[in-house]
Amino acid sequence: GEDVEQSLFLSVREGDSSVINCTYTDSSSTYLYWYKQEPGAGLQLLTYIFSNMDMKQDQRLTVLLNKKDKHLSLRIADTQTGDSAIYFCAVSGYALNFGKGTSLLVTP
Amino acid sequence: NAGVTQTPKFQVLKTGQSMTLQCAQDMNHEYMSWYRQDPGMGLRLIHYSVGAGITDQGEVPNGYNVSRSTTEDFPLRLLSAAPSQTSVYFCASSYGGGTEAFFGQGTRLTVV
Repeated sequence: GEDVEQSLFLSVREGDSSVINCTYTDSSSTYLYWYKQEPGAGLQLLTYIFSNMDMKQDQRLTVLLNKKDKHLSLRIADTQTGDSAIYFCAVSGYALNFGKGTSLLVTP
Repeated sequence: NAGVTQTPKFQVLKTGQSMTLQCAQDMNHEYMSWYRQDPGMGLRLIHYSVGAGITDQGEVPNGYNVSRSTTEDFPLRLLSAAPSQTSVYFCASSYGGGTEAFFGQGTRLTVV
Protein backbone atom coordinates (compact mmCIF):
# COMPACT_ATOMS: atom_id res chain seq x y z
CA GLY A 1 0.00 0.00 0.00
CA GLU A 2 0.82 3.64 0.23
CA ASP A 3 3.93 4.53 2.23
CA VAL A 4 3.66 7.64 4.36
CA GLU A 5 6.68 8.45 6.48
CA GLN A 6 7.06 10.91 9.35
CA SER A 7 9.69 11.54 11.96
CA LEU A 8 8.48 10.23 15.32
CA PHE A 9 9.39 13.02 17.74
CA LEU A 10 9.87 16.77 17.78
CA SER A 11 10.57 18.99 20.75
CA VAL A 12 10.38 22.79 20.59
CA ARG A 13 10.28 25.67 23.02
CA GLU A 14 7.15 27.69 23.52
CA GLY A 15 7.04 30.60 21.09
CA ASP A 16 9.29 28.94 18.52
CA SER A 17 8.08 27.58 15.19
CA SER A 18 7.55 23.84 14.71
CA VAL A 19 8.00 22.09 11.40
CA ILE A 20 6.68 18.56 10.97
CA ASN A 21 7.67 16.73 7.82
CA CYS A 22 6.04 13.95 5.84
CA THR A 23 6.98 12.02 2.71
CA TYR A 24 4.66 9.83 0.64
CA THR A 25 4.91 7.57 -2.37
CA ASP A 26 1.59 7.80 -4.26
CA SER A 27 1.64 10.81 -6.56
CA SER A 28 -2.03 10.30 -7.50
CA SER A 29 -3.33 11.40 -4.08
CA THR A 30 -5.72 14.28 -4.54
CA TYR A 31 -5.81 15.60 -0.99
CA LEU A 32 -3.17 15.58 1.72
CA TYR A 33 -4.15 16.09 5.33
CA TRP A 34 -2.80 16.96 8.73
CA TYR A 35 -4.63 15.58 11.75
CA LYS A 36 -4.00 16.31 15.42
CA GLN A 37 -4.60 13.85 18.24
CA GLU A 38 -4.46 14.85 21.88
CA PRO A 39 -4.02 12.16 24.56
CA GLY A 40 -7.05 9.90 24.86
CA ALA A 41 -8.94 11.75 22.15
CA GLY A 42 -9.97 11.13 18.57
CA LEU A 43 -8.52 12.74 15.48
CA GLN A 44 -9.08 16.38 14.69
CA LEU A 45 -8.60 17.62 11.14
CA LEU A 46 -6.20 20.57 11.28
CA THR A 47 -5.87 21.43 7.64
CA TYR A 48 -5.57 19.94 4.20
CA ILE A 49 -4.14 20.87 0.84
CA PHE A 50 -5.14 19.99 -2.68
CA SER A 51 -2.48 18.29 -4.75
CA ASN A 52 -2.48 21.17 -7.26
CA MET A 53 -1.44 23.68 -4.58
CA ASP A 54 2.03 24.45 -3.29
CA MET A 55 1.14 26.24 -0.09
CA LYS A 56 -1.80 26.86 2.17
CA GLN A 57 -1.88 29.16 5.17
CA ASP A 58 -4.47 29.05 7.91
CA GLN A 59 -3.77 31.33 10.88
CA ARG A 60 -0.70 29.84 12.64
CA LEU A 61 -0.56 26.86 10.29
CA THR A 62 1.31 26.76 6.99
CA VAL A 63 1.28 23.67 4.78
CA LEU A 64 3.91 23.30 2.07
CA LEU A 65 3.66 20.69 -0.66
CA ASN A 66 6.55 19.72 -2.92
CA LYS A 67 4.97 17.39 -5.45
CA LYS A 68 8.23 16.64 -7.22
CA ASP A 69 9.84 15.34 -4.03
CA LYS A 70 6.51 14.03 -2.61
CA HIS A 71 7.15 16.00 0.55
CA LEU A 72 4.58 17.66 2.77
CA SER A 73 5.28 19.84 5.77
CA LEU A 74 3.27 21.51 8.51
CA ARG A 75 4.65 24.64 10.13
CA ILE A 76 3.11 25.87 13.37
CA ALA A 77 4.08 29.45 14.16
CA ASP A 78 4.40 30.67 17.76
CA THR A 79 4.01 27.14 19.13
CA GLN A 80 2.10 26.92 22.42
CA THR A 81 2.02 24.23 25.11
CA GLY A 82 -1.52 23.43 23.95
CA ASP A 83 -0.05 22.35 20.62
CA SER A 84 1.59 19.36 22.30
CA ALA A 85 -0.02 16.35 20.63
CA ILE A 86 0.55 13.72 17.96
CA TYR A 87 0.32 15.01 14.40
CA PHE A 88 -0.57 12.67 11.58
CA CYS A 89 0.03 13.16 7.90
CA ALA A 90 -2.52 11.36 5.70
CA VAL A 91 -2.97 11.04 1.96
CA SER A 92 -6.21 10.31 0.16
CA GLY A 93 -7.29 7.18 -1.63
CA TYR A 94 -10.43 5.07 -1.15
CA ALA A 95 -9.59 5.53 2.50
CA LEU A 96 -6.87 7.56 4.14
CA ASN A 97 -3.31 6.32 4.42
CA PHE A 98 -1.67 7.59 7.58
CA GLY A 99 1.87 8.07 8.69
CA LYS A 100 2.82 6.77 12.13
CA GLY A 101 2.50 10.23 13.65
CA THR A 102 4.92 12.80 15.03
CA SER A 103 4.78 13.47 18.78
CA LEU A 104 5.26 17.19 19.33
CA LEU A 105 6.40 18.26 22.78
CA VAL A 106 6.31 21.98 23.56
CA THR A 107 8.37 23.01 26.56
CA PRO A 108 7.96 26.29 28.45
CA ASN B 1 -25.90 16.79 13.78
CA ALA B 2 -24.14 13.87 15.50
CA GLY B 3 -21.50 13.19 12.81
CA VAL B 4 -19.85 9.79 13.30
CA THR B 5 -20.96 7.85 16.37
CA GLN B 6 -19.12 4.82 17.67
CA THR B 7 -20.33 2.47 20.37
CA PRO B 8 -19.22 1.28 22.82
CA LYS B 9 -16.47 3.66 23.97
CA PHE B 10 -14.77 0.97 26.05
CA GLN B 11 -14.96 -2.83 25.96
CA VAL B 12 -13.17 -5.71 27.64
CA LEU B 13 -13.44 -9.14 26.03
CA LYS B 14 -12.14 -12.55 26.89
CA THR B 15 -10.09 -14.41 24.32
CA GLY B 16 -12.39 -16.23 21.93
CA GLN B 17 -15.42 -14.04 22.47
CA SER B 18 -17.07 -12.30 19.56
CA MET B 19 -18.51 -8.81 19.42
CA THR B 20 -19.54 -6.05 17.07
CA LEU B 21 -18.28 -2.49 17.17
CA GLN B 22 -20.94 -0.13 15.93
CA CYS B 23 -20.42 2.88 13.69
CA ALA B 24 -23.13 5.18 12.41
CA GLN B 25 -23.00 8.46 10.49
CA ASP B 26 -25.78 10.89 9.70
CA MET B 27 -24.07 12.88 6.94
CA ASN B 28 -25.17 10.67 4.04
CA HIS B 29 -21.54 9.83 3.31
CA GLU B 30 -20.83 7.07 0.83
CA TYR B 31 -17.35 6.18 2.07
CA MET B 32 -16.79 4.60 5.48
CA SER B 33 -13.74 2.92 6.95
CA TRP B 34 -12.36 1.26 10.07
CA TYR B 35 -8.88 1.81 11.47
CA ARG B 36 -7.01 0.47 14.44
CA GLN B 37 -4.45 2.51 16.30
CA ASP B 38 -1.61 0.91 18.18
CA PRO B 39 1.27 2.71 19.93
CA GLY B 40 3.97 3.68 17.45
CA MET B 41 2.00 2.27 14.51
CA GLY B 42 -0.23 5.15 13.54
CA LEU B 43 -3.62 4.25 12.11
CA ARG B 44 -3.89 1.14 10.00
CA LEU B 45 -6.82 0.48 7.71
CA ILE B 46 -8.85 -2.65 8.50
CA HIS B 47 -11.76 -2.51 6.05
CA TYR B 48 -13.48 0.14 4.03
CA SER B 49 -16.66 0.65 2.04
CA VAL B 50 -17.39 2.92 -0.89
CA GLY B 51 -21.15 2.51 -0.66
CA ALA B 52 -23.95 0.31 0.60
CA GLY B 53 -23.35 -3.30 -0.35
CA ILE B 54 -19.66 -2.73 -1.21
CA THR B 55 -16.78 -3.51 1.12
CA ASP B 56 -13.09 -4.20 0.68
CA GLN B 57 -10.08 -5.14 2.76
CA GLY B 58 -7.49 -2.76 4.02
CA GLU B 59 -4.02 -3.34 5.37
CA VAL B 60 -4.92 -5.51 8.40
CA PRO B 61 -8.24 -7.29 7.74
CA ASN B 62 -7.58 -10.69 9.34
CA GLY B 63 -9.88 -11.50 12.25
CA TYR B 64 -12.45 -8.86 11.30
CA ASN B 65 -15.60 -8.86 9.21
CA VAL B 66 -17.68 -5.96 7.96
CA SER B 67 -20.92 -5.44 6.10
CA ARG B 68 -22.65 -2.35 4.74
CA SER B 69 -26.37 -2.94 4.41
CA THR B 70 -27.24 0.75 4.75
CA THR B 71 -25.48 4.01 3.97
CA GLU B 72 -25.57 5.03 7.63
CA ASP B 73 -24.09 1.98 9.37
CA PHE B 74 -20.78 0.15 9.06
CA PRO B 75 -20.36 -2.40 11.88
CA LEU B 76 -17.05 -4.15 12.54
CA ARG B 77 -17.25 -7.72 13.80
CA LEU B 78 -14.56 -9.52 15.73
CA LEU B 79 -15.16 -13.20 15.13
CA SER B 80 -12.98 -14.68 17.88
CA ALA B 81 -11.16 -12.03 19.87
CA ALA B 82 -7.43 -12.39 20.45
CA PRO B 83 -5.09 -10.34 22.69
CA SER B 84 -3.43 -9.01 19.52
CA GLN B 85 -6.70 -7.20 18.77
CA THR B 86 -6.30 -5.04 21.86
CA SER B 87 -6.29 -1.58 20.33
CA VAL B 88 -8.19 1.64 19.81
CA TYR B 89 -10.58 1.43 16.90
CA PHE B 90 -11.69 4.42 14.86
CA CYS B 91 -14.46 4.64 12.33
CA ALA B 92 -14.44 7.36 9.68
CA SER B 93 -16.73 8.54 6.93
CA SER B 94 -16.37 10.85 3.96
CA TYR B 95 -18.46 12.09 1.08
CA GLY B 96 -16.16 10.46 -1.45
CA GLY B 97 -12.64 9.25 -2.00
CA GLY B 98 -10.15 11.99 -1.30
CA THR B 99 -12.56 14.27 0.54
CA GLU B 100 -12.40 15.24 4.20
CA ALA B 101 -12.85 12.27 6.53
CA PHE B 102 -14.76 12.65 9.79
CA PHE B 103 -13.77 10.41 12.66
CA GLY B 104 -15.67 8.95 15.56
CA GLN B 105 -14.29 9.25 19.08
CA GLY B 106 -12.94 5.73 19.08
CA THR B 107 -13.55 2.44 20.88
CA ARG B 108 -10.89 1.25 23.30
CA LEU B 109 -10.90 -2.55 23.21
CA THR B 110 -8.99 -4.79 25.57
CA VAL B 111 -8.83 -8.56 25.01
CA VAL B 112 -7.67 -10.57 28.00
